[in-house]
This record gives sequence, C-alpha cells and structure tokens, in this order.
Amino acid sequence: DAEITQSPRHKITETGRQVTLACHQTWNHNNMFWYRQDLGHGLRLIHYSYGVHDTNKGEVSDGYSVSRSNTEDLPLTLESAASSQTSVYFCASSETIPGQATGELFFGEGSRLTVL
Amino acid sequence: RKEVEQDPGPFNVPEGATVAFNCTYSNSASQSFFWYRQDCRKEPKLLMSVYSSGNEDGRFTAQLNRASQYISLLIRDSKLSDSATYLCVVNIITGANNLFFGTGTRLTVIP
Repeated sequence: DAEITQSPRHKITETGRQVTLACHQTWNHNNMFWYRQDLGHGLRLIHYSYGVHDTNKGEVSDGYSVSRSNTEDLPLTLESAASSQTSVYFCASSETIPGQATGELFFGEGSRLTVL
Repeated sequence: RKEVEQDPGPFNVPEGATVAFNCTYSNSASQSFFWYRQDCRKEPKLLMSVYSSGNEDGRFTAQLNRASQYISLLIRDSKLSDSATYLCVVNIITGANNLFFGTGTRLTVIP
C-alpha cells in the first residue's frame, strides 16, 4: 500500500544544532508539504513543493529549508535549531486533480521535536 | 484575526447524542471547505469535504453558510470511536498551499 513516512518520530536536540526531518511518500504525488502543529494554533504551513526542484515558502518558513530532488522525498532542515521550533511536525502530500481546488492531504504520522 | 476559528471545546457528550460543531472563516473569497479528524497524538485524516448544498456521509452531515461565513459538522448517534479532535479547513484560493486549519474542536464521547 502507498504511504507517507516520517523520521525520526521523536528527536531531542540542542539549540544551535542542525536538524533534518525526513519525509518519504510512495503515493507518487507531485505536491508535498511541511506543517507544524502547536497548542493554540492550527497546523501552519512551513514549506511546500509542487514537483521536483520546486520549493516555496509557507506562512512560517523562517529558520527552515527544504529541497526536492525527487518525487518521493521532501526533507525539512532546521539550520540552527531554536527553542521556538519545539513542535510536532507533519509532512503531507496530495495529488493535483484537474478541475478541483485541491486533492486530499495525506499526512505522515508526525515528528515530535524538542529543542533544549 | 485568524483565517479560521473554532470553539476548542472540549465537548463531552454521552453515547447516542447528537453534537454539532461550528467553524467561522474570515475570507469571503474562500473556495473549498473540509473537516479533518485527528486522534490523540496521530496525524489528521480527511473526514469529509463540505459542499455548498450540504452533504451527508452516514451519521455525519456538513453544511456551508457562505452568507454568514461558517461551516458546521453534525454528528448523530455519537459513538465512543468518534472521540477525537475535529479540524475545520478552508482553502482561500485554488491550490493546496492555501489551506488554513482551525485549531480544532475536541470531542469526547462518554459511555
């Protein structure tokens, strides 16, 4: 069955360290997204990609970067982790459906990051 | 002002009860509307899309009121398995990058 997986599922790191969260999907979806989820906020978009070599900033992109070298993967990098980046991170993918505003988002299980 | 606002709850209802959630959105140009369900410490999953005419899926009914800019979700005959957080999602303009999520409404169904 097609799926979307994230790793690591849990990570504790120190302020200033570089952290990379992996996201891999086997749906063959063109669209991939990274969100963060914090108490009191809805899911907020960090970065997104509509295809290989395409990346775009979302609502809360400062301090994060992504790259899309193939269809399956969209790793999220925190260049210098800050305590404000402690959060649960969700990767998602969707297909582009002609004539429809957006396809269903399929989410990974989430990565819980703690920055000390 | 947030793009999407929901009552966070919690809503605690007995099994078999009918419960309704509302969600308001601020941008009148919003085009698409959805309800996602999120179980504790799990990822969100699409529950249903919301269409202008309203739509029903089993015990779940979703309605859209464009004039008042709100959408609703009605759950009839609540089951224990309905306990979850329900996320209201609005697409401002075409494109999945324009999805805005509410903070969610937590529902607990009590035996």
